[in-house]
Amino acid sequence: GIQVEQSPPDLILQEGANSTLRCNFSDSVNNLQWFHQNPWGQLINLFYIPSGTKQNGRLSATTVATERYSLLYISSSQTTDSGVYFCAAQPYSGAGSYQLTFGKGTKLSVIP
Amino acid sequence: DTEVTQTPKHLVMGMTNKKSLKCEQHMGHRAMYWYKQKAKKPPELMFVYSYEKLSINESVPSRFSPECPNSSLLNLHLHALQPEDSALYLCASSQERTRMGNTIYFGEGSWLTVV
Repeated sequence: GIQVEQSPPDLILQEGANSTLRCNFSDSVNNLQWFHQNPWGQLINLFYIPSGTKQNGRLSATTVATERYSLLYISSSQTTDSGVYFCAAQPYSGAGSYQLTFGKGTKLSVIP
Repeated sequence: DTEVTQTPKHLVMGMTNKKSLKCEQHMGHRAMYWYKQKAKKPPELMFVYSYEKLSINESVPSRFSPECPNSSLLNLHLHALQPEDSALYLCASSQERTRMGNTIYFGEGSWLTVV
């Protein structure tokens, strides 16, 4: 099945700083999503982005499907951005092609 | 606010108990999912229902029994669980389960502790 790798595993930021999270995937994808899991466990959709670039407020994401990676940008970070960011991918074909496979996540801590 | 609602949010049960987790969505989605998440790990797929029929069971032990009474509801019946089954159980839904992919939406989760 598809392999999804995220980096860095842990990130500590001062409030107001910018950051870039990376997701590499091993196969062509039909679906790629970024999620934020808050400390209470809820997984919140950030982006559905199998290709291209999207922006939502201080967050933006870019997926370069031909090179099999996606980036999540967080600008002017706030303490409420803390949590774990997951990338999840659905391969175009083969094993697991009907479901999302999650990476191990990036744990972000934003300190005041 | 999430449009996938899970109850209860917290559940403590003994190893001989029978309990159920419930999930409801009103987005008209036809695919519903159960995921299990252990601490510091990513969610792992357990079951997928598509058009109210079980389409994926990821080799989950029979002490977990899913049920989809209608297109809006998904239950997970729990019986004779082990302490290692303690985890966050997440319900999710998407418009359909297709190869082309659809945005998947998660509920807030049910924290389960087995004592």
